[in-house]
Amino acid sequence: EVQLVESGGGLVKPGGSLRLSCAASGFIFSDYSMNWVRQAPGKGLEWVSVIGRGGTPIYYANSVRGRFTISRDNDNNSLYLQLDSLRAEDTAVYYCARSPPGDTPDYWGQGALITVSS
Amino acid sequence: DIVMTQTPLSSPVTLGQPASISCRSSQSLVHSDGNTYLSWFQQRPGQPPRLLIYKISNRFSGVPDRFSGSGAGTDFTLKISRVQPEDVGVYYCMQATQFRRTFGQGTKLEIK
Repeated sequence: EVQLVESGGGLVKPGGSLRLSCAASGFIFSDYSMNWVRQAPGKGLEWVSVIGRGGTPIYYANSVRGRFTISRDNDNNSLYLQLDSLRAEDTAVYYCARSPPGDTPDYWGQGALITVSS
Repeated sequence: DIVMTQTPLSSPVTLGQPASISCRSSQSLVHSDGNTYLSWFQQRPGQPPRLLIYKISNRFSGVPDRFSGSGAGTDFTLKISRVQPEDVGVYYCMQATQFRRTFGQGTKLEIK
């Protein structure tokens, strides 16, 4: 069974940093690209970033480029998102989702909430 | 970035009746590899999104056959043949043709 479990969410002040993790199981992690998608409270889905099977290529949404960094550890079946220079508008539930290379996300985690507030 | 526009944004439907959601992209979603990476997701209240349809018309594993997708180029449609109570939620289209993926705004399906 495919499982994706996010962790590392919480409350952070504007300008602060946080690191999200996503633990994957039930599939060959290195065979899939991995994504981060977020959803602000009461709003729609916003794609954040994708990383290829071996760590490249990497792409970001314009709204987070230069502030967020995606990475992965295939030896430990883990995906990460480093969030720096956080703003109030980054408040959202962050989902990790796997995708076949170049294709759409098919399995999603339950999400981790990040609240940016003073 | 490709802009995805869904209509309607809200769709009240009667149980057992059909429902249809449209999604239009600001440019063609045909990839250089010949595929069209347009997918549909369902998000029930309090749940993460669930993939329903990928590459326009392919139902994902476990998705009931009352869900179907169609379209080409820039215009796509999700149809539910007979709406059931468990279909209540928000539906999103998404393109994965361009490196930076984008979602539609979402369409809220509710029962009349």
